Amino acid sequence: ETGVTQSPTHLIKTRGQQVTLRCSSQSGHNTVSWYQQALGQGPQFIFQYYREEENGRGNFPPRFSGLQFPNYSSELNVNALELDDSALYLCASSLDLAGGPDTQYFGPGTRLTVL
Amino acid sequence: SQQGEEDPQALSIQEGENATMNCSYKTSINNLQWYRQNSGRGLVHLILIRSNEREKHSGRLRVTLDTSKKSSSLLITASRAADTASYFCATDTNTGKLIFGQGTTLQVKP
Repeated sequence: ETGVTQSPTHLIKTRGQQVTLRCSSQSGHNTVSWYQQALGQGPQFIFQYYREEENGRGNFPPRFSGLQFPNYSSELNVNALELDDSALYLCASSLDLAGGPDTQYFGPGTRLTVL
Repeated sequence: SQQGEEDPQALSIQEGENATMNCSYKTSINNLQWYRQNSGRGLVHLILIRSNEREKHSGRLRVTLDTSKKSSSLLITASRAADTASYFCATDTNTGKLIFGQGTTLQVKP
């Protein structure tokens, strides 16, 4: 067990809707990263939050947004859902020290299906 | 674009045999990490090797890193049926952004 939890486990939405996915990081971890994993592919980096500020973003449009809270929880929000957003969404927490972030610990993921 | 490319894409072996997976990447890295994923669930961290390290061991796992060739290998010795999973390498260029390869699917037959 990594100590990282995600909710919900599964989610079904229709095209055009909005969705919020939640993650609870390991206690003491100041960094959370979100990844999208399409079926049969490796995870793709969406963005990272460090001490509640966005700290790097991958090649994802602005309709993907996030929040990180002081209580080690975070959210990934996706607006105007598209069929291609169907994927496993993974969050990962880590501790960023002066030398940069280290091992990332992943949650079990949220499986999002867009119909 | 993918930074890491794993080879082979799929591997099938008998229990007790060794499994070797390779990973190649394109740019300079701070560290390289190997993860395991069972049946589309969350990723389990296996081992991290830093750019100034050449070899690392953890139980039945042995990882090597050759920064001159921009490649890494993961060796699982004396494999078990429970090792059946997908294995991913991920590189970190000191931004905290992990770039994953496509993964190697390992099947260990009892």
